[in-house]
Formats: sequence, structure tokens, C-alpha cells
Amino acid sequence: AQSVTQLDSHVSVSEGTPVLLRCNYSSSYSPSLFWYVQHPNKGLQLLLKYTSAATLVKGINGFEAEFKKSETSFHLTKPSAHMSDAAEYFCVVSDGEVDDKIIFGKGTRLHILP
Amino acid sequence: EPEVTQTPSHQVTQMGQEVILRCVPISNHLYFYWYRQILGQKVEFLVSFYNNEISEKSEIFDDQFSVERPDGSNFTLKIRSTKLEDSAMYFCASSIRTSGRISETQYFGPGTRLLVL
Repeated sequence: AQSVTQLDSHVSVSEGTPVLLRCNYSSSYSPSLFWYVQHPNKGLQLLLKYTSAATLVKGINGFEAEFKKSETSFHLTKPSAHMSDAAEYFCVVSDGEVDDKIIFGKGTRLHILP
Repeated sequence: EPEVTQTPSHQVTQMGQEVILRCVPISNHLYFYWYRQILGQKVEFLVSFYNNEISEKSEIFDDQFSVERPDGSNFTLKIRSTKLEDSAMYFCASSIRTSGRISETQYFGPGTRLLVL
């Protein structure tokens, strides 16, 4: 069975400092992994996805994530936080081969301090 | 850029009433999904739909729920007799997913916030 764990429910960083949002997954097969962002009162927007190509994936708004099979991790990073990055971030796993559904992590709320 | 749309953005209903949430998926997508997010909780899968039938559903998707693609563009979620605990944000998503094992990206709509009183 697949699952995803986001290790932090809240992360606070100062504007201009690096962002690290942690995600670990469990999957019976080689998974596809995604990060989605949800701004207040908005829908879910895809930031980036990993689907067994390059292990370092670049997304929108300067975010990137690295797939590490040995650590079963897919952490999201950004070198320099911006105030507009304040939002809820969801790590999502899908193994595709077994079923259609994707599994969401509980989310990490990112706070940006001025 | 094409996007998934949902109507209404907000819906308030009385317990026991029927509600229909509407979605227009991206036009060339073949797979459709509904998810819900109860306030303060994580996003949960409800159902996936392909070729005019349900391909998978979760334990949440009981007999009070149904989905339909009544025409070539709309994809609806019906809740027959709403309960207080159905209050949530409901997201529709769609994907291409034509072949192969690699999961195609699901594109989400902005959601419908349902409040059951």
C-alpha cells in the first residue's frame, strides 16, 4: 500500500532564506511523486512532478525536489523564500500501476516571516 | 491555458437535501476524479471515473454519492441526502492517462465549498 508522510505540519522561514519541506513516501512499486500548492481560498496547483526520469525535478516559482529512493524521500526546496510562497504544500504519491487514486500527505503550512 | 472549472464555488444546504456539484474537466482529458478536504484535514480520494463508469472508489464513497457525465463536458458529483459531516471542500480533477504505468498529472479545479447546516 502506498502512503506519504509530511514530517512537519508547519514551517516558518524568513523571507530570503531557504525553504525545506520534507516528504517521505511508501509505495509497492516505483512511484510517481508530486508536490501541489494550495494558496488560501484557492484550488490545488501542481508545483512539480517526478515520474522516473531525472531525480532532481525543477518546478514552478523556483521550487525543486529531489527523489531519493534509498531514503524514500522527495523533499521540496527553494533557495530563497518569497512572501508569496506562504501557502499549504501537499506531497502526493501515486503508483499508477495498481490504481488510479493518488494519496495526499497531510500538508505543510509554510509561513514566511518578513 | 486550459483548466478545470467547478461550480458553484460555495454551496450551503440543509441536512437531508440533495446537492449536485459540477465540474468541467479539461477537454482532451479522459480520466476524472473527485476528492474532498474536510476543514483542517488532508485531501481524500473519493472516486475515479473513466469511459462512463467508476474505475475506483474509496470507502468514503458510499451509496449516498454518485457521479455522472451527463454530456460531453460536465462531470457531476451528487450527494443524495447530505449529512453534517459532508461539509467540506470538494475538488474535481482530470488527467489524460492514455496508456502506460506512469501516472499522468491530475489537474485540479478550484473546489466547491459545501456547508451542510
